[in-house]
Amino acid sequence: RKEVEQDPGPFNVPEGATVAFNCTYSNSASQSFFWYRQDCRKEPKLLMSVYSSGNEDGRFTAQLNRASQYISLLIRDSKLSDSATYLCVVLLGGTYKYIFGTGTRLKVLA
Amino acid sequence: NAGVTQTPKFQVLKTGQSMTLQCAQDMNHNSMYWYRQDPGMGLRLIYYSASEGTTDKGEVPNGYNVSRLNKREFSLRLESAAPSQTSVYFCASEGKVYEQYFGPGTRLTVT
Repeated sequence: RKEVEQDPGPFNVPEGATVAFNCTYSNSASQSFFWYRQDCRKEPKLLMSVYSSGNEDGRFTAQLNRASQYISLLIRDSKLSDSATYLCVVLLGGTYKYIFGTGTRLKVLA
Repeated sequence: NAGVTQTPKFQVLKTGQSMTLQCAQDMNHNSMYWYRQDPGMGLRLIYYSASEGTTDKGEVPNGYNVSRLNKREFSLRLESAAPSQTSVYFCASEGKVYEQYFGPGTRLTVT
């Protein structure tokens, strides 16, 4: 079983739609959680950290469920520019070990 | 403020050749990382450096060496390249709240 699992997609959604991605992690020692965005042939860039109480940044909302060991990302009012691969990343507590998911690909269609 | 820079952007090597990938950051971060990214797999850690003068092996260190030359620079060396090392290599530095900043990557092909 992979330590961090994501649905690879692609998720094809029309502009303006709301889309949600989930990510599950297997290590209960996971301490910090992140969503990164990666455009084709580019480097990953931090989209947002995920806090226990959930957090929002504009059209993006992230949630953490420690009991069920998953995190989610909700994108509202999708834009064409949101088309990218979204990586779920987990940091194991007390370590430098970041575990990356393989990513979920999103295509927003005009 | 350039963030994290990497050179070269592209490289083609023959099996057995050596090369060094360069990475530098101007954000005064202590921790730096080298990852490789292959299709269908998440980024995998090759080596990590918590501070100048210290390095640790990650998940896939075989065939690689690193040098943390100073706080800014962290280089990755392939002593004898193999086709299995064909990949995209990313350098990253770590900010105060564990966020990672990545360089633009090096696309390496070994024939």
